[in-house]
Amino acid sequence: TQLLEQSPQFLSIQEGENLTVYCNSSSVFSSLQWYRQEPGEGPVLLVTVVTGGEVKKLKRLTFQFGDARKDSSLHITAAQPGDTGLYLCAGGSYGGSQGNLIFGKGTKLSVKP
Amino acid sequence: EAGVAQSPRYKIIEKRQSVAFWCNPISGHATLYWYQQILGQGPKLLIQFQNNGVVDDSQLPKDRFSAERLKGVDSTLKIQPAKLEDSAVYLCASSLYSTGELFFGEGSRLTVL
Repeated sequence: TQLLEQSPQFLSIQEGENLTVYCNSSSVFSSLQWYRQEPGEGPVLLVTVVTGGEVKKLKRLTFQFGDARKDSSLHITAAQPGDTGLYLCAGGSYGGSQGNLIFGKGTKLSVKP
Repeated sequence: EAGVAQSPRYKIIEKRQSVAFWCNPISGHATLYWYQQILGQGPKLLIQFQNNGVVDDSQLPKDRFSAERLKGVDSTLKIQPAKLEDSAVYLCASSLYSTGELFFGEGSRLTVL
């Protein structure tokens, strides 16, 4: 069974601080997606990484896919209260469809002004 | 562009009762998914439709859960009879094609007493 472990589970920081969230697995994934979910809402896709070692930047967010395609990280620079939410990583299996994703349990981020 | 619509947003039932959730995907999206998100966990795929055909229902508890996609557009997910452990948010998502970006609805929160 493929599993994705996310750490930390909870993170509470002050506005302006930097943070990194990790997503690890013993399995190899064809792709890795990061979502943000706010209370009472569905997850919203932030980024998809597909190549081992790939780094993608989205404004203050930097996403990295591990060389072995088993892990990923999300780094946020100068966090803002609007970054508050549940960050989910999801791995795609080889041969599976896009929607057949394995989700981690998420990292709940709270950024205080 | 209208997003994925789900109803009802909230439902409270007693165990052994039945419940149905409805989803209207984004217009033109061929692929539709139902996910179950238990509190504190990431979403888990229950069933995936491509047009009105089932692509993957390997994680659907078929003794109590059923789903259909009428004419390849709207979909309903039914639980009968409900158990306490079915308490969760049921998320519907759609994508233009099976490998496209997933767009999630706001979810239907089920509480089974």
